[in-house]
Amino acid sequence: SQTIHQWPATLVQPVGSPLSLECTVEGTSNPNLYWYRQAAGRGLQLLFYSVGIGQISSEVPQNLSASRPQDRQFILSSKKLLLSDSGFYLCAWSSSRWSSPLHFGNGTRLTVT
Amino acid sequence: QQPVQSPQAVILREGEDAVINCSSSKALYSVHWYRQKHGEAPVFLMILLKGGEQKGHEKISASFNEKKQQSSLYLTASQLSYSGTYFCGTEIPPYDNAGGTSYGKLTFGQGTILTVHP
Repeated sequence: SQTIHQWPATLVQPVGSPLSLECTVEGTSNPNLYWYRQAAGRGLQLLFYSVGIGQISSEVPQNLSASRPQDRQFILSSKKLLLSDSGFYLCAWSSSRWSSPLHFGNGTRLTVT
Repeated sequence: QQPVQSPQAVILREGEDAVINCSSSKALYSVHWYRQKHGEAPVFLMILLKGGEQKGHEKISASFNEKKQQSSLYLTASQLSYSGTYFCGTEIPPYDNAGGTSYGKLTFGQGTILTVHP
């Protein structure tokens, strides 16, 4: 069966520090991968998605970047964190077929102080 | 564009019913429904692919009106475990995707908070 791992679960970082969040998927190949952010409140905002190694599409201009160095690995990074980067970050995967369910990781709660 | 969900919040007693609506200003290819418990990741409930399609998941079902570009989630005889935030995610038709890639990018509504009391 497929599983998605995301770490760390919580992170407290000072403003201006770098960020690296990692997500890996097991049990499937060539998945579509996504990074979502959920600010305090409720909405899910799509930040990045990837349909293959090295293929990254950005949805929202921001202080973050994403990379996909391997088929089942997705990394979210920042060189210098801002206070506004605080939030709940969710990695997700889906099959490459249209209209496939999203399967989310457990999320990383990031607090920038 | 983000779909609009209504209502924003619902409070129920166990056994009562609720309807959550999701409307889009764009033509839709599919609608997904997810539930998120506090502090947890969203969990997939169901996908509706065709206009007029209805699906059921235990006492939770949904319909998709393609012409009206909207979907509704029906929760009947609610249980305490139904509490959480419900999100609809909408997917635009493939022919609108300029890149022609095989992904299904979802745009989520703002969520509806459902609270079920004993």
